[in-house]
Amino acid sequence: GENVEQHPSTLSVQEGDSAVIKCTYSDSASNYFPWYKQELGKRPQLIIDIRSNVGEKKDQRIAVTLNKTAKHFSLHITETQPEDSAVYFCAAGFGNEKLTFGTGTRLTIIP
Amino acid sequence: DAGVIQSPRHEVTEMGQEVTLRCKPISGHNSLFWYRQTMMRGLELLIYFNNNVPIDDSGMPEDRFSAKMPNASFSTLKIQPSEPRDSAVYFCASSLAQGNQPQHFGDGTRLSIL
Repeated sequence: GENVEQHPSTLSVQEGDSAVIKCTYSDSASNYFPWYKQELGKRPQLIIDIRSNVGEKKDQRIAVTLNKTAKHFSLHITETQPEDSAVYFCAAGFGNEKLTFGTGTRLTIIP
Repeated sequence: DAGVIQSPRHEVTEMGQEVTLRCKPISGHNSLFWYRQTMMRGLELLIYFNNNVPIDDSGMPEDRFSAKMPNASFSTLKIQPSEPRDSAVYFCASSLAQGNQPQHFGDGTRLSIL
């Protein structure tokens, strides 16, 4: 089955700086890679996703890159703000079928 | 639009009792997923349904856990008998079963087994 590794487990960045979270996956058949943000006590919320026919996708301050050859994908948050503080999860698989989640990255934005 | 609706939000019960968690997917979504989240094991897929049919239940921990989806707008996850190690947050998610569509999560049920 699919195995997803996520790094780092914790990340602290100064407000206004960029944050990068990286994930690797094992199953070359996976073709859908979403990122979720989870605030304390809340549900995971989709913030961006990328499909295997696309190498990069951007939505305002958030971007995701995908390297299918190396089987890794990354989340980039620019101009970080205090409200970006949360736990971020990557996942790999098939959107309407099985997704395997990474172990999460706790991002703290330092004012 | 209403999102995925789960009930109850919180459940505290004693070990050995039966626990039933409920989920109403987003209208029109035909894939439904049950996840369990703990600090130790993270977010784990327990089971998922397509068009009310269970497709993969390999994540269900043991026979004490069962899930049903009697119709397109309702699913249950049952634990009988419950044990303290079942304490976790249980999330339900739904998506459209076509292509790679995102999964949308409910607010979860925080389950505590004493």
